Amino acid sequence: DAKTTQPPSMDCAEGRAANLPCNHSTISGNEYVYWYRQIHSQGPQYIIHGLKNNETNEMASLIITEDRKSSTLILPHATLRDTAVYYCIVRVPPNDMRFGAGTRLTVKP
Amino acid sequence: NAGVTQTPKFRVLKTGQSMTLLCAQDMNHEYMYWYRQDPGMGLRLIHYSVGEGTTAKGEVPDGYNVSRLKKQNFLLGLESAAPSQTSVYFCASRRQANTGELFFGEGSRLTVL
Repeated sequence: DAKTTQPPSMDCAEGRAANLPCNHSTISGNEYVYWYRQIHSQGPQYIIHGLKNNETNEMASLIITEDRKSSTLILPHATLRDTAVYYCIVRVPPNDMRFGAGTRLTVKP
Repeated sequence: NAGVTQTPKFRVLKTGQSMTLLCAQDMNHEYMYWYRQDPGMGLRLIHYSVGEGTTAKGEVPDGYNVSRLKKQNFLLGLESAAPSQTSVYFCASRRQANTGELFFGEGSRLTVL
């Protein structure tokens, strides 16, 4: 599985867009990019995933660069409840799912 | 639906004791996973299963055993607990498809004295 690199922490103002980057320069052609988040000590929550095309759902948007070596998770209007640790995962389906250290996002009023 | 249920939620053990964590899911998912999370760290995969009767090692399998005798249950065992196994343990499951949506339990906090 390709490894991912994320900044350890980021801040965002409430109501603004939060853009969380992830580098995965060794990604292979059939590896998906997944994003999860963990609020406090709860179990992680799935956000979104994609292969090569940009994706959007009710929670976020995922932008994957054309060479697929990096991606960005966008929370369009961050709220205080979006404060969490965000994990970017790259894997070959369907088995192993490994989480890295993630990015701690703090949304400030 | 209950989703993914872990029992017990809290447990204190003495070094050398054994115990089993139970993970149960009612979503008919094929895949199940056990993770541990130490303070300030991300989740690390211990073992996983791709179906009833199958198990596989993850990143940190030493000191743990698992069994998947029934599709809905995934058991994590500690044969001889050590203080280094003090952690929060999370179980997760997902259906057999390319979607990566894992459903997590609430976690089990284990302290080994």
